[in-house]
Amino acid sequence: AQSVTQLGSHVSVSEGALVLLRCNYSSSVPPYLFWYVQYPNQGLQLLLKYTTGATLVKGINGFEAEFKKSETSFHLTKPSAHMSDAAEYFCAVSPYNNNDMRFGAGTRLTVKP
Amino acid sequence: GAVVSQHPSRVICKSGTSVKIECRSLDFQATTMFWYRQFPKQSLMLMATSNEGSKATYEQGVEKDKFLINHASLTLSTLTVTSAHPEDSSFYICSARPDLNTEAFFGQGTRLTVV
Repeated sequence: AQSVTQLGSHVSVSEGALVLLRCNYSSSVPPYLFWYVQYPNQGLQLLLKYTTGATLVKGINGFEAEFKKSETSFHLTKPSAHMSDAAEYFCAVSPYNNNDMRFGAGTRLTVKP
Repeated sequence: GAVVSQHPSRVICKSGTSVKIECRSLDFQATTMFWYRQFPKQSLMLMATSNEGSKATYEQGVEKDKFLINHASLTLSTLTVTSAHPEDSSFYICSARPDLNTEAFFGQGTRLTVV
């Protein structure tokens, strides 16, 4: 079984500041890891994913995340926040060998002008 | 990327009636689709896994007689909320993955309001 913990249900940063959203996972088999973004009343859009290979993955809108197996973490970062980054962010984990995908509780990012 | 289309995006129904929500994979075949429910400012709760040609697998605590799932083809899964009550009001989202090495693609979601 796998699970995801997102530390901090709400993160607030100033425009131009570093964004750091934390995600720790638990999985009994090698995991695939994902970050999704959700805007109000919409579905989820993929930001980036880790399956195999390079542990530092780059996604859309300037986001990136690093898979750290020793820390069971997959934190999401962006060097400089933009107002348009304000949204809900979900980390998700899936075993490499089946379709089951589990989501964290989500982190609401607020960007202050 | 792959596209998953969900319809309707919004629906209002009266208590006691049934509502059907459709989820279609437009450019890939999906033997498995997933249905989630999301309460305001909360995460996605997996309700059930929809399997083409067989019965859905429901998560613990989800009433299968209330939330009927049919996966009649490789591109279509439907969720029917039967005898809807106001507490069924929520945001319902479906997803599908073309294969294990790809991410899940999500429908746009359906905002259900039961009055």
